[in-house]
Formats: sequence, C-alpha cells, structure tokens
Amino acid sequence: EAQVTQNPRYLITVTGKKLTVTCSQNMNHEYMSWYRQDPGLGLRQIYYSMNVEVTDKGDVPEGYKVSRKEKRNFPLILESPSPNQTSLYFCASSRGGGSIYGYTFGSGTRLTVV
Amino acid sequence: GQNIDQPTEMTATEGAIVQINCTYQTSGFNGLFWYQQHAGEAPTFLSYNVLDGLEEKGRFSSFLSRSKGYSYLLLKELQMKDSASYLCAARSMDSSYKLIFGSGTRLLVRP
Repeated sequence: EAQVTQNPRYLITVTGKKLTVTCSQNMNHEYMSWYRQDPGLGLRQIYYSMNVEVTDKGDVPEGYKVSRKEKRNFPLILESPSPNQTSLYFCASSRGGGSIYGYTFGSGTRLTVV
Repeated sequence: GQNIDQPTEMTATEGAIVQINCTYQTSGFNGLFWYQQHAGEAPTFLSYNVLDGLEEKGRFSSFLSRSKGYSYLLLKELQMKDSASYLCAARSMDSSYKLIFGSGTRLLVRP
C-alpha cells in the first residue's frame, strides 16, 4: 500500500531533550516536506526537500533540522525542544513539487513538550 | 503577502448541499487544492484546480476563479461521514512548491 509512515504517533518529552520524528515513504517520491498544525493557524511548512541531499527552509524552520540521505526517508530533528514546539506534525510527499495530486500526508505525530 | 481565508465553521443537514468558500492572495499561484481532514487524522486529497472553472468528482465539485482569487468546494447529498474539516491550499509559484493552507472550515452535518 502506498503510504507515508511517521513515528511515533504520540510523544511527550521534556524541554531540551533531543528527539527525532521519522518519516518514510514507499512511493519513490522526490519531494518531501514537514508541516506543523496549530489551532487557528492551519498547516505551516517547516522544511522541504526536492530530492536526496537537497533541503531548504519553509516558513517556520527555527528550532528544527532535517536531513535527506535517502530518497524514502526525511527525519525531523528537534535538537533542544521547547514548549512552543508542542504541536501536531505531518510529513508529506509528492511525485514532484508540481504534482497535480498535491501531497500524500503521514498520519501525524502529536508532540507535547513540557 | 500570502493569505488564505475560509470560514471557520459551517453546519448543514444530511442530504443537503453545502458550499465552502476560499479566497486567496499569494505571490504567484500554481494551483488550488482542497483537502478533507477528520479530527486528529491526516489530510486527504479531494481536488485540484489550476484553470478557471468547475471540476466535478462525484458528490464533490471544486470551482476556481483566478482573476478573483476565489475558489469553492461544493458538497452534494451530504452524509454524516462528511463531518470534517476542509482545507483550502494554494500552491506557491516559487521553488519551494509549498502548499499554503488556510485554517480550515469545520463542517458539521446534522441528521
């Protein structure tokens, strides 16, 4: 089944403790992206990647890092999480940036930083 | 600037028709998407418009007017399972190809 897999689904952590949210897609998509979703603000792009080893900042990149060493994987790294990073995170992929099908989203990761 | 506006909430009756409007202002435009999102779940693709006019897909249709920066999603023969949030998103024209999302419209379908 074609899908984007994120792990974990739920995570509660403490301020400053480094964490990684994994994202993997099995559709051979070139384009991958991370979004966060907050009430009243909608989905906002954190980082995106056009292909392997090509990544760039989205609208809200502060406090996050990403890497794209393989086509299928695009982990999101929070080096020193803070409470304002408590949010619902979605990984997404598409065949190319201009795909008419937009993104396929993962199931989401609900992160709480205390 | 970039801005997507859609109503926060709407209520409709099972079997009826509802229209969800979206206006957008983006620096460059490369298509308009509609997604459905049930609470706590991933958004799922509904429709894509890049040219003016109406695209019909079963019970769902989407309309675009580029000159007015306006789109709507039309849902016919509403079912209880259509209760969800509907997200309007414009794709950026720059190299990021990012989708710029509105805050979503929460639709409640009542019996």
